[in-house]
Amino acid sequence: DAKTTQPTSMDCAEGRAANLPCNHSTISGNEYVYWYRQIHSQGPQYIIHGLKNNETNEMASLIITEDRKSSTLILPHATLRDTAVYYCIVRVGGQGAQKLVFGQGTRLTINP
Amino acid sequence: ETGVTQTPRHLVMGMTNKKSLKCEQHLGHNAMYWYKQSAKKPLELMFVYNFKEQTENNSVPSRFSPECPNSSHLFLHLHTLQPEDSALYLCASSQAGTASLSGNTIYFGEGSWLTVV
Repeated sequence: DAKTTQPTSMDCAEGRAANLPCNHSTISGNEYVYWYRQIHSQGPQYIIHGLKNNETNEMASLIITEDRKSSTLILPHATLRDTAVYYCIVRVGGQGAQKLVFGQGTRLTINP
Repeated sequence: ETGVTQTPRHLVMGMTNKKSLKCEQHLGHNAMYWYKQSAKKPLELMFVYNFKEQTENNSVPSRFSPECPNSSHLFLHLHTLQPEDSALYLCASSQAGTASLSGNTIYFGEGSWLTVV
């Protein structure tokens, strides 16, 4: 699986959009970009994933650059409960049990 | 509620004890995983099961013994652990074995906090 690079930490004001970047310059054509977050002392929570098109769900939006070498997770109106460690992971989709390899992630702090 | 339930949520055990962690998924998935998260470290994959068969053992010491009796249940049997094995143990599941290229999302349980004394 391709390696990802994320900033160690970020801050965002409550009510503003939080934009979390991720670099994955060695991503392969069949690898998806996944985002998870982990709130303190809980299991990782799935947020969103995409292959090459931008994606949006009730939690967030995922913007993937045209060359697929980077992406941005957008939390449109951050709340204090969005404070967590956010992980960007690339992995192959399709058949088989496809594992996730976690890095250090970005520690996002939402400030009142 | 993710559909993956882990019990117990907290466990304290002595180094000579034998205990087990249990995981059950209600998502109809056929792949299950054990991860370990030690303090201030990234999640580490321990084991992968696909259709009840172990497909990956990430060099885990034999004092950790997984068991997958069916696609819905996964156990981690613990025996003669060390204090450094104290960590958050996470179970996860996904739907594997499909031809779809949409990706098979992995869902995690809330974890079992293990303290070895």
